[in-house]
Parts: sequence; C-alpha cells; structure tokens
Amino acid sequence: AQKVTQAQTEISVVEKEDVTLDCVYETRDTTYYLFWYKQPPSGELVFLIRRNSFDEQNEISGRYSWNFQKSTSSFNFTITASQVVDSAVYFCALSEAENRDDKIIFGKGTRLHILP
Amino acid sequence: KAGVTQTPRYLIKTRGQQVTLSCSPISGHRSVSWYQQTPGQGLQFLFEYFSETQRNKGNFPGRFSGRQFSNSRSEMNVSTLELGDSALYLCASSESGTSLYEQYFGPGTRLTVT
Repeated sequence: AQKVTQAQTEISVVEKEDVTLDCVYETRDTTYYLFWYKQPPSGELVFLIRRNSFDEQNEISGRYSWNFQKSTSSFNFTITASQVVDSAVYFCALSEAENRDDKIIFGKGTRLHILP
Repeated sequence: KAGVTQTPRYLIKTRGQQVTLSCSPISGHRSVSWYQQTPGQGLQFLFEYFSETQRNKGNFPGRFSGRQFSNSRSEMNVSTLELGDSALYLCASSESGTSLYEQYFGPGTRLTVT
C-alpha cells in the first residue's frame, strides 16, 4: 500500500534562513510519481514539482530545490533564503503508475511559518 | 486561461440535508478530481472523472457521488449530511486522464454542517 509521511507538522524559521521539509514515502511499485504542492492561506493548492521514480536527479528552481533519494524513499524539499511569502502548508504526494486505482495519496502536510 | 473555479465558496447546511458543489475545470482539461480536506484526515481523494466517466473512487460512503458533463464541468453531491462532512472540498483539473500529471486546483468550497 502506498503511504506518504511528512513527520514535521509545523516549522518556524526566521526570514532568510534555509529550511528543509521532509517527505518519506512507501510503495511497492517500481514506477511512481512524487509531487510537492503548496497551499497558501487562500486555500488553493499550487503545483510545485513532479518527479518520476526513474529520475533521481536533484532539481533546483530558483530558491527551491528537491532531493530525491530512492535508497531512503525520501523526496525532501528545501527552500533557500526563505521569505515571508513562503509561509504556507506544503504537501508531498505519491501516485503509483501501476496502481489501477490510479489515485494520488497526500501526506498530512507541513505548515511552514516564515517569521519576519 | 482562467483557472479552476468552484461554486459556492462557502456553504452552511444542516445535518440530513444534501448539497451539490460545482467545479469548472481549466479550458481544455478533461479530467476533474475531487478531494476532501479536514484537519484530522488531511487531503483525501474522493473521485476522478474523465470524459463524463468516473475513473476512480476513494474510500468514501455512497452518500458521496459526482458526475461530469460534456463540457467537463463537474458536480459533487453529498446526501444525508453528517457533522463529519464539514470540510474544504477541493476540485482539481488536469489535461490527462490520470493523477500522474500535475493538477490545477480550485480555491475550494468550505462546507459547514451544523
């Protein structure tokens, strides 16, 4: 069965600090997709990244970077030089390509507070 | 392109009533998924529609149902409302028919059951 664990329920950092959000997943499939979404106070989830299980290259997009390690089943998200606008709830999600149910499972989310 | 729109944004209902929520996907998107978000259970998948057909369904009772129209707009219905149905209901659309691709979410409908 697929499962996504975001152990950090809430994190607070001071603006300009770097912060890493952890995501650990469980799956029996060899082909799967991992996602990160951001949910600002407005409530609308915003897609950040999708990574398939065969691509372990780390990705950087501006101040955001993602570290995918199949050996530890982790897909961590780092914000460098955090800003107040980064305050939101961040969700990690998993979808198994071979799962006929074709559903996406979300972690419980990590609420990130960036303090000015 | 306009984003995903959901109506109404807020709704208050009484136990036992039924409710219908509406979702208009991004133009050209044929897949619409619905999610329930609560503080306790987090984000849970309800169902997905593609080309007017329900492709997948999450682990929710039969009181939760939905449909999709030929213009890809979707509605979700909850009958015999219970207090535990109070939640933020999110709709998402995507170009493909699966949840393997990025989804674009609407702002949600916040349902309060009293």
